[in-house]
Amino acid sequence: AQSVTQPDIHITVSEGASLELRCNYSYGATPYLFWYVQSPGQGLQLLLKYFSGDTLVQGIKGFEAEFKRSQSSFNLRKPSVHWSDAAEYFCAVGGALFTGTASKLTFGTGTRLQVTL
Amino acid sequence: EAQVTQNPRYLITVTGKKLTVTCSQNMNHEYMSWYRQDPGLGLRQIYYSMNVEVTDKGDVPEGYKVSRKEKRNFPLILESPSPNQTSLYFCASTSNRKQYFGPGTRLTVT
Repeated sequence: AQSVTQPDIHITVSEGASLELRCNYSYGATPYLFWYVQSPGQGLQLLLKYFSGDTLVQGIKGFEAEFKRSQSSFNLRKPSVHWSDAAEYFCAVGGALFTGTASKLTFGTGTRLQVTL
Repeated sequence: EAQVTQNPRYLITVTGKKLTVTCSQNMNHEYMSWYRQDPGLGLRQIYYSMNVEVTDKGDVPEGYKVSRKEKRNFPLILESPSPNQTSLYFCASTSNRKQYFGPGTRLTVT
């Protein structure tokens, strides 16, 4: 069965500091990996996705994530955090979403990011 | 404007009273899905649909039904709601490039 672990429930960083949110997954085949953000009043939004190819993927809002097959990880990073990045972040793993075939999508339990000024 | 709409946005109901939460998208997307969000559990997929008349179970389908008779609509049906189905529900619609979420439906079952 597929699963996602986000080991950090809550993280606090200072504005301007770098950020790394951890995600580990379990999937029986080549995974499709995603990061989502949920901001108060903004709803859910896809930050970035990984299907294949370059293991470092760029997303919106200056975020990037690196796929490491050997570690079953897909950590989210941002070089310099802004106060507006305070939100909850979800990692997800699934099959071929976005590629025209059906897929079950499994989410982690989320990491809440607090940004201090 | 591309959007996913859900109705109702808020609902308080009683155990056992059948209800339907509607989801509609205006983007002609083939893939649609339903999720529930609970504190500490994150988002969990209930059902997804690849196209009209094609649906499949997600991680937590028990107690829910869906139908996909038209491409634009993907209603979530709770035949006999129970208090453990109190949750925040999201519908999503996906193309080969983008994913759009509805605003959410907060359901309380007493």
